Amino acid sequence: NAGVMQNPRHLVRRRGQEARLRCSPMKGHSHVYWYRQLPEEGLKFMVYLQKENIIDESGMPKERFSAEFPKEGPSILRIQQVVRGDSAAYFCATSGGLNTEAFFGQGTRLTVV
Amino acid sequence: SQQGEEDPQALSIQEGENATMNCSYKTSINNLQWYRQNSGRGLVHLILIRSNEREKHSGRLRVTLDTSKKSSSLLITASRAADTASYFCATDVETNAGKSTFGDGTTLTVKP
Repeated sequence: NAGVMQNPRHLVRRRGQEARLRCSPMKGHSHVYWYRQLPEEGLKFMVYLQKENIIDESGMPKERFSAEFPKEGPSILRIQQVVRGDSAAYFCATSGGLNTEAFFGQGTRLTVV
Repeated sequence: SQQGEEDPQALSIQEGENATMNCSYKTSINNLQWYRQNSGRGLVHLILIRSNEREKHSGRLRVTLDTSKKSSSLLITASRAADTASYFCATDVETNAGKSTFGDGTTLTVKP
């Protein structure tokens, strides 16, 4: 049973480019959570999705960031027109339902140059 | 300020000693979870303790929860060099264990 898969593991983008981060949930999991971790800090919640629906995006920046979890395929976190301050590790976690343990992927480390 | 704050920020011990890390939080919670993160890696889930539980064990790990003091502790007994990592507590305010508020972590170094 494969764990939560994130790709790419490392992503380098120039300022102004777009970054697409993918998260494939564990088998049987339909809840996806995205977090951002700045250096030397804990994780900060960004968005919670179920299949085809954004349930809670209270942690998402208002501009340039979007997330989706289509009926087929992985969840995508999209950052448009990246800036240096977007450099961070982005983690997704998935679970099989509310109040059940969420499992984290290995993260995508985004570097904006 | 943080919902969950770990204390101390950094801890250095010798192999074989016990390590205790504390977490304090501000609002009522549904669950509290402890995670480990090795440098540059993902998070490994250690233990989830629910608000109606006071103590849980898993191998060399012991977690306590005191809701009256809004605090939790993680004890690692007989530490090993491989326990060197950052440890985070994460609180779940809502009935949604995936949406957690993380502290900034305790960095544990276990010297061989």
